[in-house]
Amino acid sequence: AQSVAQPEDQVNVAEGNPLTVKCTYSVSGNPYLFWYVQYPNRGLQFLLKYITGDNLVKGSYGFEAEFNKSQTSFHLKKPSALVSDSALYFCAVREHGSGNTGKLIFGQGTTLQVKP
Amino acid sequence: EPEVTQTPSHQVTQMGQEVILRCVPISNHLYFYWYRQILGQKVEFLVSFYNNEISEKSEIFDDQFSVERPDGSNFTLKIRSTKLEDSAMYFCASRRQGSSGANVLTFGAGSRLTVL
Repeated sequence: AQSVAQPEDQVNVAEGNPLTVKCTYSVSGNPYLFWYVQYPNRGLQFLLKYITGDNLVKGSYGFEAEFNKSQTSFHLKKPSALVSDSALYFCAVREHGSGNTGKLIFGQGTTLQVKP
Repeated sequence: EPEVTQTPSHQVTQMGQEVILRCVPISNHLYFYWYRQILGQKVEFLVSFYNNEISEKSEIFDDQFSVERPDGSNFTLKIRSTKLEDSAMYFCASRRQGSSGANVLTFGAGSRLTVL
């Protein structure tokens, strides 16, 4: 069965410092991996995805993520955090060849708090 | 930018009542989903819908739940007899058909259901 783990409930970082939000996954085949962000009282917004190819993927708002197959990880990173990045971040996985469902399996979410 | 629209944004109902949550997916999307998020917990898959039928459903999606696409634009989730544990934020999502580049799910802002 597919699963996603986000080991940190909350990450605190000072504005201007680099940030990392961790994600590990488990699938039986090759994964599609995604990061979504949720601001208060808003829906989930797509940030970036890994499908195939280059292990470092770049997304919206200066975020990037690195796919590491040997460690089954897909950590979200940003070189310099902004207070406005404070939100709830979800990692998600979909297995290749999962047919017409295309469903995503989400991690439990990590709250990012960026302090001025 | 095209959006997935959900109504109502918040509904309060009595236990045992029927509830219908409505979604208008993006117009050229062909795959539709419902997810729910109980307060403080992860985003959970409920059901996927393609070609006018359910393509996959989770264990949560029991006989009390149903989905429908009555008119080619709306996508509804019905809960026949609500329980206290149905209180959650319900998210609708949709995606296009096609290649891996179309695998991104676009989410609505959510409908918060409170069962008293």
